Amino acid sequence: DVKVTQSSRYLVKRTGEKVFLECVQDMDHENMFWYRQDPGLGLRLIYFSYDVKMKEKGDIPEGYSVSREKKERFSLILESASTNQTSMYLCASSPRGGLVNTEAFFGQGTRLTVV
Amino acid sequence: QKEVEQNSGPLSVPEGAIASLNCTYSDRVSQSFFWYRQYSGKSPELIMSIYSNGDKEDGRFTAQLNKASQYVSLLIRDSQPSDSATYLCAAYNFNKFYFGSGTKLNVKP
Repeated sequence: DVKVTQSSRYLVKRTGEKVFLECVQDMDHENMFWYRQDPGLGLRLIYFSYDVKMKEKGDIPEGYSVSREKKERFSLILESASTNQTSMYLCASSPRGGLVNTEAFFGQGTRLTVV
Repeated sequence: QKEVEQNSGPLSVPEGAIASLNCTYSDRVSQSFFWYRQYSGKSPELIMSIYSNGDKEDGRFTAQLNKASQYVSLLIRDSQPSDSATYLCAAYNFNKFYFGSGTKLNVKP
């Protein structure tokens, strides 16, 4: 089974702190993604990466950065946490794929509260 | 127009009935399609993927894809209270996934 593991299930951080969310996948997938999910807003893409050291901005990259130094690990960084970044953060991975076998698999999620 | 659109619901069906969930998509996303189930407070889990026109069945679940009309549907037969969740429709194109906002399904005992 594909396994995507996020480093924390729950996090509480203070405003202004630098926050690191880590994600590791064990299926040698090329693509990795970071989403945030808020009630009524659905899943919103923050950043994604289609290869090591490659990254692309998603729909809401402001206030975030990412790092992908190894294929299996994709980190999300909140440079200076703010209360409006309180959310559920979801990491996902998928093979690059062609026409088939492109499913995304999600980690368990990190519920981040910024106080 | 959003790339993937769903009715937010809630959709309520009695136990044992067929639940029908629908999703439309734009021209910008047309490669492959997925249905995810998400229980409250949990992460989405993949139920079905469908890549070509027609029906695909897996147990109580059937996914339908109609590329000419640009819609994808999910049928759940013999609905159970444990099927109560939010169902997300997703499309994949050029290394990106596009998610609908989800339809909340309530199955009443």
